[in-house]
Formats: sequence, C-alpha cells, structure tokens
Amino acid sequence: RKEVEQDPGPFNVPEGATVAFNCTYSNSASQSFFWYRQDCRKEPKLLMSVYSSGNEDGRFTAQLNRASQYISLLIRDSKLSDSATYLCVVKGDTGRRALTFGSGTRLQVQP
Amino acid sequence: DAGVTQSPTHLIKTRGQQVTLRCSPKSGHDTVSWYQQALGQGPQFIFQYYEEEERQRGNFPDRFSGHQFPNYSSELNVNALLLGDSALYLCASSLDRGRRNEQFFGPGTRLTVL
Repeated sequence: RKEVEQDPGPFNVPEGATVAFNCTYSNSASQSFFWYRQDCRKEPKLLMSVYSSGNEDGRFTAQLNRASQYISLLIRDSKLSDSATYLCVVKGDTGRRALTFGSGTRLQVQP
Repeated sequence: DAGVTQSPTHLIKTRGQQVTLRCSPKSGHDTVSWYQQALGQGPQFIFQYYEEEERQRGNFPDRFSGHQFPNYSSELNVNALLLGDSALYLCASSLDRGRRNEQFFGPGTRLTVL
C-alpha cells in the first residue's frame, strides 16, 4: 500500500464548477500536511498547508481528518488557470523530514 | 529575492556514465532536499542535507550521493547511470527552524539516460 494515495483523475470540469480532491495517508505519526500544485513539466509549488481545524485561502479550502487519516482539497468557482496536477503531501514527525508525495490528481478545467 | 535555482536544466547521458546536478537554495534557507520524479509519479525523496551532512536518506542505492557546501548550495551525484534513472530531479530548500519546514522547489533538472 502506498503511503499517500490519491485518485489520479483526470477530473474534467467546466469553468465555475466546484471540485473536490481526496487523499489518504498510512502513517498515523504524520505531523504536517500540504497540497502542492504542479503544472506540466514544471516544479511543484506549495498551494497551501493543511491544519487540523481546516483552512481556507480564497477559493481553496483544505480539511484534515486525523482519525480517518484523510485530507481533502475543495476548489470553488474553478478557473481555466486551475488546470494542473494537485499533489497531496505528508511530512512525518520531527525525525522524518522528508516529504511523501501522492502520485497527484490531474484537473482539467474546460471553457 | 532569488528562489531555488538548479543547473543544468536538461542533461543527456548514456548508461554507465556519471552525472552531477547542482542546486542553490532560496536566500535564507539552510536545508536542501533532493527528489526524483518519474513521469506520471509524485516526487520520491532521495536525501536531505543540513549543516553539510546527509541528515536523512530515502530508499535509493549508494550510487546516489550528495554534498552540501558552506554556502548551503548542494550537489547530487549519480554514478553508473541506468536507463531507469531518467527522471526530473528536483531540489527543495527549507529553513530548519522554519514554520512547518515548508519546502520550496527549484525548476528541476531533466535527466535522460540513453
């Protein structure tokens, strides 16, 4: 079983739609959680950190459920520029400094 | 404020050769991590350098080695290249005492092994 699992997609949605991505992680000792965005043939860029209380940044909302080891990302009012691969990322406790990435979920927003 | 830089951007090598990739971290950062990203996959952690020492290592063979210099820049060396080493190699920098150790990635070096 992979440490971080994501639905690979692709998710094809019209502009203005709301889309949700889910992710599960296997290491219950994980401490930090992130969503990164990666455009085709570019580097991953930090989209947002995910906090236990949930957090929002404009059209983006991230949720964490530690009991279920589940992370989500909600994008409201999708824009064409949101088309990218979204990577769910988990970091272990202080002894494990590496980021563990899911394989990514591809989003294609269509006009 | 310069972000993370990597060189070269592209590289073509043949099996058995050796390669060195370079990374300069974001200004103010002291920690460098290296990742390998195969096509269609998420990045896989190779190792992390802090205070010029390898602090943590992922599941990669000894053919992969690295170095960090006093100015925090880093090199990744791969010996005896295999076809399967073809990938995007990403460097990420962070501040050891930074908020949540958020890591910021450079543009990567695309390595093709023929």
